[in-house]
Amino acid sequence: KNQVEQSPQSLIILEGKNCTLQCNYTVSPFSNLRWYKQDTGRGPVSLTIMTFSENTKSNGRYTATLDADTKQSSLHITASQLSDSASYICVVSDTGGFKTIFGAGTRLFVKA
Amino acid sequence: DTAVSQTPKYLVTQMGNDKSIKCEQNLGHDTMYWYKQDSKKFLKIMFSYNNKELIINETVPNRFSPKSPDKAHLNLHINSLELGDSAVYFCASSQKCRAGVCYTFGSGTRLTVV
Repeated sequence: KNQVEQSPQSLIILEGKNCTLQCNYTVSPFSNLRWYKQDTGRGPVSLTIMTFSENTKSNGRYTATLDADTKQSSLHITASQLSDSASYICVVSDTGGFKTIFGAGTRLFVKA
Repeated sequence: DTAVSQTPKYLVTQMGNDKSIKCEQNLGHDTMYWYKQDSKKFLKIMFSYNNKELIINETVPNRFSPKSPDKAHLNLHINSLELGDSAVYFCASSQKCRAGVCYTFGSGTRLTVV
């Protein structure tokens, strides 16, 4: 069964600190993995997209890693800001894009 | 100059009513989607249209009927609304990109059935 599991479910950190969010998936055959940021009351916005051959991808203070062998990905946020408070959703697609599975997301709270 | 816009943003209605949600994209994408985000925050695809043709129709009650008058619009009509229909509905469009398919989401329509 194609699944995408994220952890932790929620996370509270102090402004300026780093954090890492995890994503495990069983989608096969794998095509690509995306991390989205979803602010409250808004639609998801793409942060990074990685294909099978890519191990790491950065977008400003966001760095995503991918281990296609273990089917794990992480999103590392450096020097967190209050505006990073949001849900972060891991999305995995199979080859051809016929199946796109969304994780339930990690709810991040950044406190001053 | 919003890329994917959906209306209304909020919708509160009584059980049994019929309602529509509209979606428009100005990105020139060929494919549009409707997703439902439930209380557990999972986003699940409901429908996908490519150039006005239905290509994905997940297991969704037939009370939900999508309509695509042209490739820039994908509306969702819901008949006989039920309490369980309460959720946030997202419209999205996509195009092929280097990594496969790249999606752009609307801001969502929060539907509350009372």
